[in-house]
Amino acid sequence: KNEVEQSPQNLTAQEGEFITINCSYSVGISALHWLQQHPGGGIVSLFMLSSGKKKHGRLIATINIQEKHSSLHITASHPRDSAVYICAVTLRGGSQGNLIFGKGTKLSVKP
Amino acid sequence: DADVTQTPRNRITKTGKRIMLECSQTKGHDRMYWYRQDPGLGLRLIYYSFDVKDINKGEISDGYSVSRQAQAKFSLSLESAIPNQTALYFCASGEGATVEQFFGPGTRLTVL
Repeated sequence: KNEVEQSPQNLTAQEGEFITINCSYSVGISALHWLQQHPGGGIVSLFMLSSGKKKHGRLIATINIQEKHSSLHITASHPRDSAVYICAVTLRGGSQGNLIFGKGTKLSVKP
Repeated sequence: DADVTQTPRNRITKTGKRIMLECSQTKGHDRMYWYRQDPGLGLRLIYYSFDVKDINKGEISDGYSVSRQAQAKFSLSLESAIPNQTALYFCASGEGATVEQFFGPGTRLTVL
C-alpha cells in the first residue's frame, strides 16, 4: 500500500468549475506539500502545511491531521490550471527532509 | 535566473555508457536531493546530501552514484546505463527537514 494516495487520478473540468483533489496518507508527518507539475515537466511548490488551511489566489489547501487527509481546491478553474498536482509528505521525526510522493492527479480544464 | 538548474535537459544514450547529470542551486541550501519520476509511479528518492561530506542513499540508489562537489553542486552518475533507467530526473534543494523544496526543471534521460 502506498503511503500517500491521491484521488482522482485524472480529472477533466469545464472552465469556471470548482475543483477538489484529495490526498490521504498513512504515516505520521511533519508537513504536507502540494506541488504542481506543468506539461513541460517542471515542478513548483504550491503549499506546505502542517495544520489548518492556506490560500493563495484561487488555490486553497486544507489538512485534517486526525483524519490524515488533505484537499486542494481550485476555485473558478481556468485552462491554465491544467497540470499534474502532486501531494507529498515529510515524515515526522525524519531528519532527511526528503519527500514521499503520491502518484499525482492529472487535471485538464476545458475552455 | 532559476534557483535550481540542471544540465543537460535532455539526453539520449546507449546501454553501458557512463552518464553524469549535473545540478546547481543558488539558494544557499544545505540539503540537496535527486529524484526519479516514472509514469504511474510518482517521484522516488535516489540519493540525498546534507552537506559536502554527508551523502546518503535513498529508496532506489542501485545503479547510481552521486558527488557533492560544493554546497551548491550535486551531480548524479549512472556508471553503466541500462534501459530501465530511462526516466525524468529531478534535483531539488531545501534548508532543513521540514521546509519547502525547490525543484530543478528536470532532465529527460533515454537509454537505448
